[in-house]
Amino acid sequence: KQEVTQIPAALSVPEGENLVLNCSFTDSAIYNLQWFRQDPGKGLTSLLLIQSSQREQTSGRLNASLDKSSGRSTLYIAASQPGDSATYLCAVMGGSNYKLTFGKGTLLTVNP
Amino acid sequence: SAVISQKPSRDICQRGTSLTIQCQVDSQVTMMFWYRQQPGQSLTLIATANQGSEATYESGFVIDKFPISRPNLTFSTLTVSNMSPEDSSIYLCSVEEVEGRGYTFGSGTRLTVV
Repeated sequence: KQEVTQIPAALSVPEGENLVLNCSFTDSAIYNLQWFRQDPGKGLTSLLLIQSSQREQTSGRLNASLDKSSGRSTLYIAASQPGDSATYLCAVMGGSNYKLTFGKGTLLTVNP
Repeated sequence: SAVISQKPSRDICQRGTSLTIQCQVDSQVTMMFWYRQQPGQSLTLIATANQGSEATYESGFVIDKFPISRPNLTFSTLTVSNMSPEDSSIYLCSVEEVEGRGYTFGSGTRLTVV
C-alpha cells in the first residue's frame, strides 16, 4: 500500500526566504506526482505535475523535482511571499491502482 | 484544464438530516471522484463515479451512507445521509485531466454537523 509522508508538518519563515518542502513515497512504481496548494477551508489548486519520466517541473517561483528511484520529491519556493501561506499537499498516482494517495501536507506561514 | 463548480461551499446541518453536494464540470469526463478531508487530516477517497454505472466505493465507505449519482458526463452528486458530528469535514470532487495531465479539484464543501 502506497504511503506518502510530508516533512515538515509546519513551517514558518520570514518573507523573502527560499524554502524547500519534502515529500516521500514508499512505492516507486508511480505514474506521476502532483503538488497542490490548499487555502484554509477551501479546495485544492494544482501547482505542478511531474510525470514519472521527468526529473523536474517549474512554474514561476516554484520548482518541483522528482527522484522516483529513491521515492522523493521536493517543492522549492523562491523568494517567499505572505500570499504563499497555505497548506501544500503532495499526491502520487500509483502504478498498481491508478489512485491518488495524498500526504498530510505542510502548513506554510510566510511572515511579513 | 477542466473547471469544476461545486455547491454548496459550506453548510451547517442538524444531525440525522442529509445533504446533497453537487459538482458540475465544464467538459465531459469519464470518471469523477469524491473525497473527504476530516479536520487536520489529508484527503481520503470515498468513491469513483462513472456515468451509467454504480459508483465504486473505497473500503470503509458504503452506498447507504454516501449515495452518489452520475446522470451524465458533466455532473455528479454526493449525498451525506443521516449525518452525525463525525461527518463534519470538507468534501471535494475531482476529475482527471486528459492525457495524464493530473487532477483538478472543486472548491470544496465545508460541512459542519451540529
